[in-house]
Parts: sequence; C-alpha cells; structure tokens
Amino acid sequence: DGGITQSPKYLFRKEGQNVTLSCEQNLNHDAMYWYRQDPGQGLRLIYYSQIVNDFQKGDIAEGYSVSREKKESFPLTVTSAQKNPTAFYLCASSIDGSGRTDTQYFGPGTRLTVL
Amino acid sequence: GQSLEQPSEVTAVEGAIVQINCTYQTSGFYGLSWYQQHDGGAPTFLSYNALDGLEETGRFSSFLSRSDSYGYLLLQELQMKDSASYFCAVRSDTGRRALTFGSGTRLQVQP
Repeated sequence: DGGITQSPKYLFRKEGQNVTLSCEQNLNHDAMYWYRQDPGQGLRLIYYSQIVNDFQKGDIAEGYSVSREKKESFPLTVTSAQKNPTAFYLCASSIDGSGRTDTQYFGPGTRLTVL
Repeated sequence: GQSLEQPSEVTAVEGAIVQINCTYQTSGFYGLSWYQQHDGGAPTFLSYNALDGLEETGRFSSFLSRSDSYGYLLLQELQMKDSASYFCAVRSDTGRRALTFGSGTRLQVQP
C-alpha cells in the first residue's frame, strides 16, 4: 500500500532536548512538507522540499531543521531553540511542487509534548 | 503573502445542507482547495477549483469566484460522520510553491 508514515505517533521530550520526527513516503512524490497544528488552529508551514537535496523555509521555520537526502524521507528536527514546541506535527507530500493542483497527501501525524 | 478567512464554527442537523465560505487574499492565484480533518486525524483532500464555477463530487460541491476572491464548500445530506474541521487552502503562482491554509471551520452535525 502506498502512503505516508510518520513515527512516532506520540513523543515526549524534556525541555532543552532536540528531537527528530520521521516522515517516509512510498508514493514516488517529489515534494514534501512539514506543518505544525496547534489546538483549534489551522496548519502552519514549517519547511518544504520540492526535490531531493533542496528545501525551503516556510512561515515558522525558526527552531526547526530538515534534511532531504532521499526522495522518500523528510525528517524534521525540533531543536531546543524552538520556544513552544508542543503541537501536532503533520508531514505531507505531493506529486511535485510545481503542479497546479498540488494535492497534498498527509501522514497520520506526530503529537509532540514537551515536559 | 496569502491570507484566508473562514468561519470558525458551523452547526447543522443531519440531512441538512451547509455552506462553508472562504475568502482569500493572495499575490497570485492558482486555485482553491478544500481539506477535511476529523479530530486527531490527518487532513484529507476534498476538492479543488482553479476556474470559476461549481465542482461537484457526490454530496460535496465546491464553488469559486476568482473576481470576488471567494469560494465555498457545500455539503448536502449531512451525516453525523461529516462532523469535522474543514480547511480552505490557496496556492500562489508566485514565490512560494506550497499551500497556505485557512484556520479551519469546525462543523458539528447534530441528530
């Protein structure tokens, strides 16, 4: 079955620790995205990547970092510099980032809680 | 940049019709998309409009007026399972090649 997987589903972290959220897709999509969602809010773009070895900052990139070494994988690191990291993190992919429809397919999300 | 406005909450009864509006401001415009998200779940794609008019997909329809920077999602024959949040999203044809999402409309369907 093709799709996007995110792990872990729930993640707890102590203040001051970096943590990496995994996102893998086997849809052969070129473009991948990371969003943050706070309770009752919309999705805010953290980073996106249109192609391997390239990525761009979104609206709220501060305190986050990404890499795109493989087409299938787009891990997100939440660093200690992120002041309020507790949130629901969603990874998505689309066929490519230049298409007009740009339909995005989302993973199940990782709920990060900072203790 | 882009910004979108949609009502925060809508309530309707089973079997009814509900319309969720979305107005947007963007420096360039490719199209307007709609996504559904159930509590605790991932958003799923519902529909996309690039041209003016109505697009119908089963019980759901989406409308776009590019001249008014306005669109809506129409849900007919509401079912309890339609209780969810609905997000409109725009894609600009300049600059950033990624969607910008509205803050979402929470639809509550009552028996």
